[in-house]
Amino acid sequence: SQTIHQWPATLVQPVGSPLSLECTVEGTSNPNLYWYRQAAGRGLQLLFYSVGIGQISSEVPQNLSASRPQDRQFILSSKKLLLSDSGFYLCAWSVRKGPTYEQYFGPGTRLTVT
Amino acid sequence: AQSVTQLGSHVSVSEGALVLLRCNYSSSVPPYLFWYVQYPNQGLQLLLKYTTGATLVKGINGFEAEFKKSETSFHLTKPSAHMSDAAEYFCAVSSVLANSKLTFGKGITLSVRP
Repeated sequence: SQTIHQWPATLVQPVGSPLSLECTVEGTSNPNLYWYRQAAGRGLQLLFYSVGIGQISSEVPQNLSASRPQDRQFILSSKKLLLSDSGFYLCAWSVRKGPTYEQYFGPGTRLTVT
Repeated sequence: AQSVTQLGSHVSVSEGALVLLRCNYSSSVPPYLFWYVQYPNQGLQLLLKYTTGATLVKGINGFEAEFKKSETSFHLTKPSAHMSDAAEYFCAVSSVLANSKLTFGKGITLSVRP
């Protein structure tokens, strides 16, 4: 069966510090991968998605970047965090079922920028 | 472009009462519709989805939703609420043109009173 991991689970970082969040998927190959940010009362905002190694699409211009160095590894980064980067970050992968894809989510990382 | 509207941010019901969570969508092409549930500090879990065919879709935990094209709606219902249903619920839309991406609504928090 497939499993998705995210770490760390929680993180408190000062403004201006760098960020690296990691997501790995087990039990599947060549998955589509996604990074979302969830802010209170604002639902889920798709930040990046990837259909393969080194292939990253950015959905929203911002202070963040993503990389996919290996097939099942997806990394979210920032060189200098802003207060507005605080939120709950979710990684997801998808599998095609019938005419559409189903997305499966990791447990998330709670980021607080102070 | 696609969008989802979930009116209101919070619904409260008594245990054993009907649960009704509303979702309206906008899509220029036939939509694929999803409901996800999120328990506190966890990732999202797929409840059910509609792609084609039967418009009444049954999901996990006794939930079901009905696709009504004329009303552009995909409301989620459960005949009898249980305390364990307390969570945040997200409606999402995709389509054949969306390249596996989902557009989420802002979510609705369901509280269940004993």
